[in-house]
Amino acid sequence: QVQLVQSGAEVKKPGASVKVSCKASGYTFTSYDINWVRQATGQGLEWMGWMNPNSGNTGYAQKFQGRVTITRNTSISTAYMELSSLRSEDTAVYYCARGSNCGGDCLDVWGQGTTVTVSS
Amino acid sequence: DIQMTQSPSSLSASVGDRVTITCRASQSISSYLNWYQQKPGKAPKLLIYAASSLQSGVPSRFSGSGSGTDFTLTISSLQPEDFATYYCQQSYSTPRITFGQGTRLEIK
Repeated sequence: QVQLVQSGAEVKKPGASVKVSCKASGYTFTSYDINWVRQATGQGLEWMGWMNPNSGNTGYAQKFQGRVTITRNTSISTAYMELSSLRSEDTAVYYCARGSNCGGDCLDVWGQGTTVTVSS
Repeated sequence: DIQMTQSPSSLSASVGDRVTITCRASQSISSYLNWYQQKPGKAPKLLIYAASSLQSGVPSRFSGSGSGTDFTLTISSLQPEDFATYYCQQSYSTPRITFGQGTRLEIK
């Protein structure tokens, strides 16, 4: 079945970086965009960025520009999101989601989420 | 950036009720509007795409309407499993998407 499986929970100190992986299966990885969305506890969904796995093209939300990098390894159908200069406000659940063409992107398959905790 | 505003932020309803949630865009987005349902501790689930198209496997009691700047999600007869948080998302500025702040639907 079509699924995205993310890496496990992380605990990081302020100023460090975190890299979360998202492995796709059940479909052709390079045929669909991958988006990253985060959610702080009790808060709403916040789009972070996007990647076209075929071309490697990326785009990031202004808020995260310069701190986030999305990459991929097509040989293992895996996307990565790295967030640097972590601060306590980055404590959240991070999701990857497949972007399908619904007349514009809709996110039709989601990973299970990765909890990132930033604490000294 | 296109801002999405949902109303209400929360509402209480009973099983069997008809419920409507509204989403307003800060500029016209044609029909580039999607709706998601999220239950506690779970990833969001796509319900409606392109304003009114039902995602495969989603019950027909869910429907969406609207175009331009004003959109609605309607649940015709609430079921116990429908109590969750609902988000709208604009895809007009794909790939730079934005979400509404969410509407929490609680049991009365």
